[in-house]
Amino acid sequence: NAGVTQTPKFRILKIGQSMTLQCTQDMNHNYMYWYRQDPGMGLKLIYYSVGAGITDKGEVPNGYNVSRSTTEDFPLRLELAAPSQTSVYFCASRSGANVLTFGAGSRLTVL
Amino acid sequence: EDKVVQSPLSLVVHEGDTVTLNCSYEVTNFRSLLWYKQEKKAPTFLFMLTSSGIEKKSGRLSSILDKKELFSILNITATQTGDSAIYLCAGEWGGGADGLTFGKGTHLIIQP
Repeated sequence: NAGVTQTPKFRILKIGQSMTLQCTQDMNHNYMYWYRQDPGMGLKLIYYSVGAGITDKGEVPNGYNVSRSTTEDFPLRLELAAPSQTSVYFCASRSGANVLTFGAGSRLTVL
Repeated sequence: EDKVVQSPLSLVVHEGDTVTLNCSYEVTNFRSLLWYKQEKKAPTFLFMLTSSGIEKKSGRLSSILDKKELFSILNITATQTGDSAIYLCAGEWGGGADGLTFGKGTHLIIQP
């Protein structure tokens, strides 16, 4: 039972490059989320999805895009990476209950 | 704007001590308050609180919610070095679909 799987675990980008963080869950959860965590700042919601084909902005969506073509997958796209996007990114999912299951995180550095 | 405030932001105690972590919130349409423990990787779920005055307990950890005063506490008794972690408080409100709003966390260090 894999739960929520994120790839890659680590990545270094140059300013202006683009990349996609992958997130897959095998629990048939409808709700999926992307958070970023900066040191001492807790987790901030970037984007979320309540089901396949439906996405919505969270608190800090600028510089990111998402898609939800299937229930299982919720990739996060960074276009034109900036140093301010250096962070640890967590994908999470849940069913109807409000307890989130988190992936292991992806540490991104933009130089 | 809904928000969650945790205190203290960091705490260093000795093994065997009892600690109390605080979480206050300002929300509309409150649904639930959750506590997570984060070690090196992803946050792991500890407690979910929806009703005032009912203590949730798991081993040496316990938590309670006061919906009138808008706060929650997380207690850890007889602390061990393995309790060292960041403890996150998060609130859910409104329609609930848009996830949780997290506090900044309390970084707890247990010294042997």
